[in-house]
Amino acid sequence: DGGITQSPKYLFRKEGQNVTLSCEQNLNHDAMYWYRQDPGQGLRLIYYSQIVNDFQKGDIAEGYSVSREKKESFPLTVTSAQKNPTAFYLCASSPGTFNEQFFGPGTRLTVL
Amino acid sequence: KQEVTQIPAALSVPEGENLVLNCSFTDSAIYNLQWFRQDPGKGLTSLLLIQSSQREQTSGRLNASLDKSSGRSTLYIAASQPGDSATYLCAVPNLMNRDDKIIFGKGTRLHILP
Repeated sequence: DGGITQSPKYLFRKEGQNVTLSCEQNLNHDAMYWYRQDPGQGLRLIYYSQIVNDFQKGDIAEGYSVSREKKESFPLTVTSAQKNPTAFYLCASSPGTFNEQFFGPGTRLTVL
Repeated sequence: KQEVTQIPAALSVPEGENLVLNCSFTDSAIYNLQWFRQDPGKGLTSLLLIQSSQREQTSGRLNASLDKSSGRSTLYIAASQPGDSATYLCAVPNLMNRDDKIIFGKGTRLHILP
């Protein structure tokens, strides 16, 4: 059953903590993306990767970090430097640049 | 800079009506345009992808059209049902800056009244 999985579905973070959101795909897609969604603001791109071991900053990369050691995995770390991390985080993948994008179910992160 | 606009932000219609959702973009040099559906608290589901060379694409009760010269796309939903209630987003690649980003509209929140 092909698709994109994100875990956990809900995540709570204390002030000063780093947390890592998981994104895995078994679609054999080259490109993967992380978006943040806030009410009334639409989707904003955090980081994206077109190929293994390479990634680029999106529009709001400050306070976030990623890695792309395997084709199927693109974890996102929300660091303590991100001052307002409470949001809905969406991971997506596509076969390549400008191809159809497919999204995971999302992770809702809340800062306590 | 490519910008994508969806108007109206919200729409309520009675069940059974045919309806049209609008998407406009500022730069007509697009590679493709994608329509998504998002249910509350869920990820985005791809509905239709129209290539720049196409004028329309159909899937079941959905029909998406593309007019690059006017910078517009419409998503037509026939015989609407309460299950169609969701937020609908359109997205285009950002070719203007020659990066690999996809630009999303903020969506139209659709409510089908039973």
